[in-house]
Amino acid sequence: KQEVTQIPAALSVPEGENLVLNCSFTDSAIYNLQWFRQDPGKGLTSLLLIQSSQREQTSGRLNASLDKSSGRSTLYIAASQPGDSATYLCAVRPGLEYGNKLVFGAGTILRVKS
Amino acid sequence: DVKVTQSSRYLVKRTGEKVFLECVQDMDHENMFWYRQDPGLGLRLIYFSYDVKMKEKGDIPEGYSVSREKKERFSLILESASTNQTSMYLCAMGRDTDTQYFGPGTRLTVL
Repeated sequence: KQEVTQIPAALSVPEGENLVLNCSFTDSAIYNLQWFRQDPGKGLTSLLLIQSSQREQTSGRLNASLDKSSGRSTLYIAASQPGDSATYLCAVRPGLEYGNKLVFGAGTILRVKS
Repeated sequence: DVKVTQSSRYLVKRTGEKVFLECVQDMDHENMFWYRQDPGLGLRLIYFSYDVKMKEKGDIPEGYSVSREKKERFSLILESASTNQTSMYLCAMGRDTDTQYFGPGTRLTVL
């Protein structure tokens, strides 16, 4: 059964710092991996989606990498801002045969201090 | 803009009550999902549906049922609410080859 782990569970950094959030998964046979952002009391917003054949995806100050063979992904946030404060969730899609089901990690709570 | 609407943002119910949580999407997507989110546990899939009147159990279906009579509407039903069903409930939708789009969530408290 696929399991997704995110480290650290919480992170507090000063504004302007570059930071890395980590995600690991137990079964390397995945269809894709996504990073989501969740603001307090709100739903999830998709940030980046990496297909299993890709190594990384970039959007603005965000860069996500995928190493399928080792079961790891990282989300890199450059020049962090207070507005980046949120919970970041990693999710893997096990395969096409599972429909569009996702398996989520527990998330990393990020606080960027001004 | 993609929109997933959930019927309530906050709900307080008593133990033993029947509870309906409704989710409506405006994008004609085939897949719809119900998750619950608890601190330290992340999102866990309760049920999902890939077509009208079709449903499949997720990882934690016990104590829940669902209904999808129309493509745009997916309901989660707690037949007899219990205190351990106090949680944040999130609805999502998506196509097979796309990401999932989430609603704002319903925070349910069962007293």
